[in-house]
Amino acid sequence: SQQGEEDPQALSIQEGENATMNCSYKTSINNLQWYRQNSGRGLVHLILIRSNEREKHSGRLRVTLDTSKKSSSLLITASRAADTASYFCATDLGGSEKLVFGKGTKLTVNP
Amino acid sequence: DVKVTQSSRYLVKRTGEKVFLECVQDMDHENMFWYRQDPGLGLRLIYFSYDVKMKEKGDIPEGYSVSREKKERFSLILESASTNQTSMYLCASSFYRAPGDQYFGPGTRLLVL
Repeated sequence: SQQGEEDPQALSIQEGENATMNCSYKTSINNLQWYRQNSGRGLVHLILIRSNEREKHSGRLRVTLDTSKKSSSLLITASRAADTASYFCATDLGGSEKLVFGKGTKLTVNP
Repeated sequence: DVKVTQSSRYLVKRTGEKVFLECVQDMDHENMFWYRQDPGLGLRLIYFSYDVKMKEKGDIPEGYSVSREKKERFSLILESASTNQTSMYLCASSFYRAPGDQYFGPGTRLLVL
């Protein structure tokens, strides 16, 4: 069953612009994570935000979490062509070892 | 660095063949996972294991089985491959009782003819 849903499905921007991707989920969570996948490769963990946190930063990444709205956003600032990838949010199921992934946002950064 | 390796990057098999996909991790992780990824459907969990010889079904276990005889190795088995099992298969691992970072292998793209 799909827990997280990313929005938009695809996003195309110019280098230097900011990219914002959103994720909505349905049930209570302990944490939410964002992953990145380059074309034809495995996923790479980017950032984890716990349910008691509202915002987290890592380099050019900024993640927010609104548990009242059951939503999260990933902001990539000053994007680069190398940021071109698919981005997935993943949520746990209230303490389970399992993660449930959304379908992803495909980001294209044009040079 | 955590490393998760998968036995093949690309695999072509015929309908009805038995297929083994192997995954090895070198970080002493307790949890290991098998996903399949299809366009428009995202990642779907097939099976996971939280300890040697332990396994639990994920969302789409039908047509698959798994084996975990050693902590570092988790195998996905397609007993009789079918064309609808053509997909990208991703293995991942994580620490026990810490549904935090999952570390993924590079994936195996399986084509069943």
